[in-house]
Amino acid sequence: AQKITQTQPGMFVQEKEAVTLDCTYDTSDQSYGLFWYKQPSSGEMIFLIYQGSYDEQNATEGRYSLNFQKARKSANLVISASQLGDSAMYFCAMREGSTGNQFYFGTGTSLTVIP
Amino acid sequence: NAGVTQTPKFQVLKTGQSMTLQCAQDMNHEYMSWYRQDPGMGLRLIHYSVGAGITDQGEVPNGYNVSRSTTEDFPLRLLSAAPSQTSVYFCASMGLAGDGTDTQYFGPGTRLTVL
Repeated sequence: AQKITQTQPGMFVQEKEAVTLDCTYDTSDQSYGLFWYKQPSSGEMIFLIYQGSYDEQNATEGRYSLNFQKARKSANLVISASQLGDSAMYFCAMREGSTGNQFYFGTGTSLTVIP
Repeated sequence: NAGVTQTPKFQVLKTGQSMTLQCAQDMNHEYMSWYRQDPGMGLRLIHYSVGAGITDQGEVPNGYNVSRSTTEDFPLRLLSAAPSQTSVYFCASMGLAGDGTDTQYFGPGTRLTVL
């Protein structure tokens, strides 16, 4: 079974609007970490935000927030006030266990911001 | 502070040739890893290491060898290249604070084509 599922291959959003990128995960561990990365067309992988399984509050980093619903095993990324520079691939990833050594990545969502 | 560096940026090989992809980090990170990224597949873990002298297999290790003689360097070897190894290869490193919040820092990637 896929550890990380991203069901939206491509998304479009109007500039200045908010957008939600979906991510669901599969693990039987009680302790795990969830990450989002951005990959612009230049190819580098940029860390955006982290959520721990025991964190009670949703993580936020500037315009990025993570909508963490533990019972549903979902960790959706919300980007507020979209900018043209947000156009990129976005990957959700999971690290199982607090000291797990393997990261599992989803297949990514391509976000296009329309002026 | 260069972060994670990878060489070369681009490489074309013929089937059966061997080569080594280089990866180095200057952040004194214990953990280093290699991924391959294929269209529609996300990132898949090839090998990883949690310290000098320690390596382990990831999700797709076949056809690749690694070694870790120093903290800084983690080369990936293709012993006999095959067209199925055409991909973009990313190296990453991470500190191991032990609380699960550490994130990976990625190199710029190597685009490999095997003819």
